[in-house]
Amino acid sequence: GAVVSQHPSRVICKSGTSVKIECRSLDFQATTMFWYRQFPKQSLMLMATSNEGSKATYEQGVEKDKFLINHASLTLSTLTVTSAHPEDSSFYICSARDRSGGWGETQYFGPGTRLLVL
Amino acid sequence: GQSLEQPSEVTAVEGAIVQINCTYQTSGFYGLSWYQQHDGGAPTFLSYNALDGLEETGRFSSFLSRSDSYGHLLLQELQMKDSASYFCAVKYYGNNRLAFGKGNQVVVIP
Repeated sequence: GAVVSQHPSRVICKSGTSVKIECRSLDFQATTMFWYRQFPKQSLMLMATSNEGSKATYEQGVEKDKFLINHASLTLSTLTVTSAHPEDSSFYICSARDRSGGWGETQYFGPGTRLLVL
Repeated sequence: GQSLEQPSEVTAVEGAIVQINCTYQTSGFYGLSWYQQHDGGAPTFLSYNALDGLEETGRFSSFLSRSDSYGHLLLQELQMKDSASYFCAVKYYGNNRLAFGKGNQVVVIP
């Protein structure tokens, strides 16, 4: 159980285009999803917390107009990188928290999306 | 401020034991999680400690001392497949955000 999927797994795009990444919880409902970014050989950096039916909460330094997050249902959150530039190239990972879980449960991570902006 | 300190890299032979330490300075600490990440893959959950003491899961076990703001992950009977990066992550009171440590790369050699 507790499977999270991401699509696409890999994307290459031209500078200036927008890229949408989907994160789905397949066998549980997730009121909260998280978006992380990871550069090579570095740790995961939380970008934003996505709450179903409300606006996302962005971490300091993350531009909300640059990284649009939508959490329209209990099983889907999307991250759109708008007007992508080469410096946005990174590994984007989502995680989801099981709605039925208490404080002791963990986050379940998706397989990640590798974005390369040319 | 908040920081999660982890040493960077360790190499060990198959069958050996490796301990990865994590110290944190954070207010609102609720619990400490450990994740494994293979190169190019997603983090996978290993263990979670909210109370002082030891949590054992097969060959891996995690320890927490809240008074020392310290935790460690113990990898026993190392196997080649254990070569990966290991991250500690702090969970906060009041929300479900995780703050990840810098990670520790474990390289297992024959």
